[in-house]
Order: sequence, then C-alpha cells, then structure tokens
Amino acid sequence: DAGVIQSPRHEVTEMGQEVTLRCKPISGHDYLFWYRQTMMRGLELLIYFNNNVPIDDSGMPEDRFSAKMPNASFSTLKIQPSEPRDSAVYFCASSFVRSGVYQETQYFGPGTRLLVL
Amino acid sequence: SQQGEEDPQALSIQEGENATMNCSYKTSINNLQWYRQNSGRGLVHLILIRSNEREKHSGRLRVTLDTSKKSSSLLITASRAADTASYFCATGPYNQGGKLIFGQGTELSVKP
Repeated sequence: DAGVIQSPRHEVTEMGQEVTLRCKPISGHDYLFWYRQTMMRGLELLIYFNNNVPIDDSGMPEDRFSAKMPNASFSTLKIQPSEPRDSAVYFCASSFVRSGVYQETQYFGPGTRLLVL
Repeated sequence: SQQGEEDPQALSIQEGENATMNCSYKTSINNLQWYRQNSGRGLVHLILIRSNEREKHSGRLRVTLDTSKKSSSLLITASRAADTASYFCATGPYNQGGKLIFGQGTELSVKP
C-alpha cells in the first residue's frame, strides 16, 4: 500500500504567490484531514472531509486558505495570496471510520514543507 | 482550543530506562490515541485506547486511561536510542466523529 501521498514535498515561494498543496489519501478511506504544524502553534487541524464533503473548516486561519476534495482520491489545499506567516509543514491524513460516530487511526502523509519568503 | 496537554514537554533518559509521558484532556472522549513523530516525518499511530478501557499494551508500550481524571499515560519500557522522537496524544471528542485533537507533544531523547 502506497500510504498517503503528498506533493510537493518542499515548496519555496514569494509572498503574494498562490500555493497549491496536493494529497492522495489511502484508497477506501472515507475521512481526509489537513493539518499545519509549526514550532509556535504545534499541530493544528485546518479542515476535514467525510466522503468528499467538508465537515469542519473552523481551523482554516483566513479566507486566503481554501480546500477542496473533488473526488475520493484527491484533495487540494490552496493559499492565495501566501504570506511569510504561512510558512509551516502541512500534513494530510486519512482515516477509515466505519460508523461516523467514533475516531479511528489516522494515517499521515510525509508533509509539505512550505517556506514563503 | 487545545484538548490534550502533555507533560513533560521534553524528556531525556538513558537507553534501557523507562519513559513515561502524560496527557490530560478537557472534554468527554470516545477514545485516546498516541502517535509518534520522527524529526522531519509525518506522525505514525502507536496505539488506541477506547473510553471503556483502562489499560492497553503493545510490545514495549503500555497506555493507561483514567476517564474520571481525564488523563492518560504512555509508558515505553526498556527504551532504545531509536525511540528518540516526539510523542503526541490525540483525543477523539465524544460528538465529533472522525476528528482528533492533538496535544503539543513530548520530545523524548534517549541517549545511548
């Protein structure tokens, strides 16, 4: 099994540019999560999807951030325009939750290390 | 808001010693999970304990859960240098299926 795939692994961009991060979850998983990790704020949940539908986007910091999941095998997190304070490691994770009531193991991708200059 | 708070923030021990990390949380949960993160990598699931369980073992790992005190502990026995990593607890809120809330983590250093 390939696991959760994220691309790119590293991204360096200039302030004001659009950044798109991509994620392919594990096949058959019905939940997809986007997290951001920084030294100052730790691991923050940005948004998560269930069966391609956004469930909770309360962690999305600003309108500059948007996320989509057009199908079960692909999701994007977009930052437009990017700012230096967006520099962080962004993780995608997926999970298979049979009941929708509980929580199960989350499988994390390797992350995208974003640096905004 | 942070659900899980971990203690200590950092722990340094010698190989062969046991390492204990603690996690406290605030609201009712379905389960509590522990994850590990090696430097520069994604998190890896270690163990899940459900709210009706009190203790669980997996290899050298032992997890306890006290729902009355809203706390959990992770014990790593006979630690190895390869156990050096950050360890996170994550709680599954009672009425929010799928979602986990992660603590700030404990940074464990095991010296050979």
